[in-house]
Amino acid sequence: KAGVTQTPRYLIKTRGQQVTLSCSPISGHRSVSWYQQTPGQGLQFLFEYFSETQRNKGNFPGRFSGRQFSNSRSEMNVSTLELGDSALYLCASSPGVLGMNTEAFFGQGTRLTVV
Amino acid sequence: QKEVEQDPGPLSVPEGAIVSLNCTYSNSAFQYFMWYRQYSRKGPELLMYTYSSGNKEDGRFTAQVDKSSKYISLFIRDSQPSDSATYLCAMTSGPSGSARQLTFGSGTQLTVLP
Repeated sequence: KAGVTQTPRYLIKTRGQQVTLSCSPISGHRSVSWYQQTPGQGLQFLFEYFSETQRNKGNFPGRFSGRQFSNSRSEMNVSTLELGDSALYLCASSPGVLGMNTEAFFGQGTRLTVV
Repeated sequence: QKEVEQDPGPLSVPEGAIVSLNCTYSNSAFQYFMWYRQYSRKGPELLMYTYSSGNKEDGRFTAQVDKSSKYISLFIRDSQPSDSATYLCAMTSGPSGSARQLTFGSGTQLTVLP
């Protein structure tokens, strides 16, 4: 069974640009969450999608947005990139919303560098 | 104060040692607890998942939860150099609680010396 696939693995962007990251969850999983990982702040929650609906959102500015498609694949977009957006962006998939018997499995992440 | 506190280490142990990793939390809404292992430049890998107080064993790994003390632990027996990684605790309230997303500790960097 294929795991969580994130593309691209690496990105270098310039300040002010926008970027779109993609996540394909494990087959059959309907929930996708996104996290930002930095050395200083650790893993921080961005948002969660379930059945194409955003169920939960973390404390990030509106420049960070996402969506989920009918096949459960998800994208996140960051507009007007800042140097501080440089991070490893991780996607996690789970069969349903997090809780009883719904563990979250992570992809390898997309490493974004903003210069 | 962070909701989840985890000693960042680094922690170095000799091969074969028993490793104890710990997290404390302050939000009593947390009901489900996970331990992840993350190798350098990789995504976190789920090791253990528990939701009740007590112990859960899987091979060389034992997860322990004490909800009354808001304290969770991961024990690694017969540690191997391949266990060298960062270990992250994570927790959630579940779908009906006030903290549905995974909240992570800062991670403990472990090195097992051959």
